[in-house]
Amino acid sequence: SQTIHQWPATLVQPVGSPLSLECTVEGTSNPNLYWYRQAAGRGLQLLFYSVGIGQISSEVPQNLSASRPQDRQFILSSKKLLLSDSGFYLCAWNREVNSPLHFGNGTRLTVT
Amino acid sequence: GESVGLHLPTLSVQEGDNSIINCAYSNSASDYFIWYKQESGKGPQFIIDIRSNMDKRQGQRVTVLLNKTVKHLSLQIAATQPGDSAVYFCAENMNDYKLSFGAGTTVTVRA
Repeated sequence: SQTIHQWPATLVQPVGSPLSLECTVEGTSNPNLYWYRQAAGRGLQLLFYSVGIGQISSEVPQNLSASRPQDRQFILSSKKLLLSDSGFYLCAWNREVNSPLHFGNGTRLTVT
Repeated sequence: GESVGLHLPTLSVQEGDNSIINCAYSNSASDYFIWYKQESGKGPQFIIDIRSNMDKRQGQRVTVLLNKTVKHLSLQIAATQPGDSAVYFCAENMNDYKLSFGAGTTVTVRA
């Protein structure tokens, strides 16, 4: 069976510090990978998606970037965090377009 | 802006009753719809999906109805249980990688 792992579960970082959130998927190959952000009491906003190694599509201009160094690894980064980067970050995968997304348990990021 | 929205932000239901959660979407080109359940501090969990060539689909204790004429999606939960308390999201897709989510409905089950 397939599993998705995200870490860390929670993170508190000062403004201006760098960020690296990691996500890995097990039990499948060549998945589509996604980063979403969820503000408190709100829906999910798509940040990045990737259909293959080294292929990244950005949906929202922002202070963040994503990379996919390996088939089942997806990384969300920032060089300098802003207060507005606080939120709940979710990684997800699916096999193909128009199939269910499977989410990790998220990282709660607080920028202070 | 979001093309998917929920009719009500909260729903309170008595344990054992049936629940109905509604969702409106604005893009008539959407051809795939999903319902998710999210518990506090966790990622969304897939419940059920439906494609635009169907108007009803049933799962275990859940039914999704799709009315393309009025662009309306609903999730029915039979015999609601305390474990059904969560935030429920509908999402739509237009045959691409961008799944668009509504703002969610908080369901609270009363004992």
